[in-house]
Amino acid sequence: NAGVMQNPRHLVRRRGQEARLRCSPMKGHSHVYWYRQLPEEGLKFMVYLQKENIIDESGMPKERFSAEFPKEGPSILRIQQVVRGDSAAYFCASSPSAGRGTDTQYFGPGTRLTVL
Amino acid sequence: QQQVKQSPQSLIVQKGGISIINCAYENTAFDYFPWYQQFPGKGPALLIAIRPDVSEKKEGRFTISFNKSAKQFSLHIMDSQPGDSATYFCAASRQTSGYALNFGKGTSLLVTP
Repeated sequence: NAGVMQNPRHLVRRRGQEARLRCSPMKGHSHVYWYRQLPEEGLKFMVYLQKENIIDESGMPKERFSAEFPKEGPSILRIQQVVRGDSAAYFCASSPSAGRGTDTQYFGPGTRLTVL
Repeated sequence: QQQVKQSPQSLIVQKGGISIINCAYENTAFDYFPWYQQFPGKGPALLIAIRPDVSEKKEGRFTISFNKSAKQFSLHIMDSQPGDSATYFCAASRQTSGYALNFGKGTSLLVTP
């Protein structure tokens, strides 16, 4: 029973490049959330998606950031033209869509992005 | 603005002691309050959670106390062990926002032998 999977675990990009972070939710989960953790800070909500729909992107920067969760395949968080301030740990979490436990999110191991 | 305020920022407790971490929130629409434990280099792991219709919930050595009128909740770790040394985050969410989590800034707990 695999948990939430994220890849890559570590990603190094130079300023101006693109970063693509992938998240496969737990089996049976169709809700995906992305959070960002800056050094010495807590986790900040970025975006909440269901299959093929963005439900809430109120925490995501308006420019350079985008997210998707296609019908098939993992959820993708895309950061275009990365800057040093994007260096952080990005966590994905998933929850079931119905039944008991819809309020409970299970986190992946994170992707640590370093921008040089 | 920070919707959930957590204290203390760091905590040192002797083995066998009680660790207490406090959180406060403003939004009365929150209806789910989980605590997460995070070890360095790992993702947060759900520890215990409570809903506002209950004043206390206990699971093993971990207890959440919830005060709805004061809009405060706390985590108590009884008989703290060195293996409990980690960062603890409180959070709050509401069904109308799809349970997107609003986290406190975290408490770094060190349990000394």
